[in-house]
Amino acid sequence: GAGVSQTPSNKVTEKGKYVELRCDPISGHTALYWYRQSLGQGPEFLIYFQGTGAADDSGLPNDRFFAVRPEGSVSTLKIQRTERGDSAVYLCASSRQGQEETQYFGPGTRLLVL
Amino acid sequence: SQKIEQNSEALNIQEGKTATLTCNYTNYSPAYLQWYRQDPGRGPVFLLLIRENEKEKRKERLKVTFDTTLKQSLFHITASQPADSATYLCALMVGGGNKLTFGTGTQLKVEL
Repeated sequence: GAGVSQTPSNKVTEKGKYVELRCDPISGHTALYWYRQSLGQGPEFLIYFQGTGAADDSGLPNDRFFAVRPEGSVSTLKIQRTERGDSAVYLCASSRQGQEETQYFGPGTRLLVL
Repeated sequence: SQKIEQNSEALNIQEGKTATLTCNYTNYSPAYLQWYRQDPGRGPVFLLLIRENEKEKRKERLKVTFDTTLKQSLFHITASQPADSATYLCALMVGGGNKLTFGTGTQLKVEL
């Protein structure tokens, strides 16, 4: 079946611009996660949704980062006033209800802020 | 402070040998420890999960051990193949939580 998909695969933007990154989870998965991975590092947790609500947003670095999941399926990660330090791969993952320990990752969106 | 440590140096081994990767952690009491594989330009792929009350788990050529006293997990790939070449990430999840905390990963290269 289809896995987690993310669009765009690559995004180049200028410092100060606004970007949106999209995640389509595996059909039927109720939990959705966003992680960020810098070069040579492991993924770092940003936010977790159970259904439509953000159950844990403790990993969002500051208020320039925001994520939504209005219908409990697709999610959008929004970054305002981008900075060069935001450059990274943004990974989305999903999991089945009751099996949140097993997360299935998408290919990521490579964001480059110039 | 909390730390998850994986050997940052690449591991090069010959085809057919057993690869052993190490994950050490401090100041965590994980309910689950997991291993993921990541290829360049791809997202991590789940391989194996082991629970805090389990000592060992196997899946085909893969074996994971978990020692909560030593705070260490070992990940073994037996009869390694060049196709096993990738970065392997260790990740922890604490009880009652849903977020994974990852190590930095170890790059494995299996040579002919």
